[in-house]
Amino acid sequence: SALTQPASVSGSPGQSITVSCTGTSSDVGPYNLVSWYQQHPGKAPRLMLYEVNKRPSGVSNRFSGSKSGNTASLTISGLQAEDEADYYCCSYAGSKTYVFGTGTKVTVL
Amino acid sequence: EVQLLESGGGLVQPGGSLRLSCAASGLTFGAYAMSWVRQAPGKGLEWLSGISGGGETTYYADSVKGRFTISRDNSKTTLYLQLNSLRAEETAIYYCAKDIGYLIDTGASDSWGQGTLVTVSS
Repeated sequence: SALTQPASVSGSPGQSITVSCTGTSSDVGPYNLVSWYQQHPGKAPRLMLYEVNKRPSGVSNRFSGSKSGNTASLTISGLQAEDEADYYCCSYAGSKTYVFGTGTKVTVL
Repeated sequence: EVQLLESGGGLVQPGGSLRLSCAASGLTFGAYAMSWVRQAPGKGLEWLSGISGGGETTYYADSVKGRFTISRDNSKTTLYLQLNSLRAEETAIYYCAKDIGYLIDTGASDSWGQGTLVTVSS
């Protein structure tokens, strides 16, 4: 089943926020194969991080990732208005399958 | 610049079938794994299926295994998804996405199409 994310997280411009992604010992826990996607309304998702903490070319270093046990986290530092979007984590779940998180709406106050 | 263009969506009755296509350009198509992801209206993302660069390995979500079939034609730089026995709850935007490597071993898709809408309704 889907990984668990908070429905919403908010912060003021310039602040740092963290979005959690909680799975189990069958998906997030055993694998460093967590990725994070940003999705603005009506747009396709955009890859922000992969393999827990690797940034694709073109992604700001304000985005960082970590993992502890069955929970992965996305941190956005120096929050900007353009960061307001939905964020989804995704993890390998074993048996040749992947699973997305429930999604988190990030609001910039 | 990588471009992915999905097509083949539309209205289909419950129990019906559709074949989605994803035409790719701007990349060495056979060098990359590809995936399909869907998003029901107002809902989250759901991973459906992946295929390695040469097509030798395929992955499926349990929810679609046995009903959906992923394939690719590298000579035509096109990805496909055959959808059979469709259900009303599978109404969604279906996205194709390019993975960052040849194998389906990262879950990381760095280029996405704009999606094609599949509506399952009588």
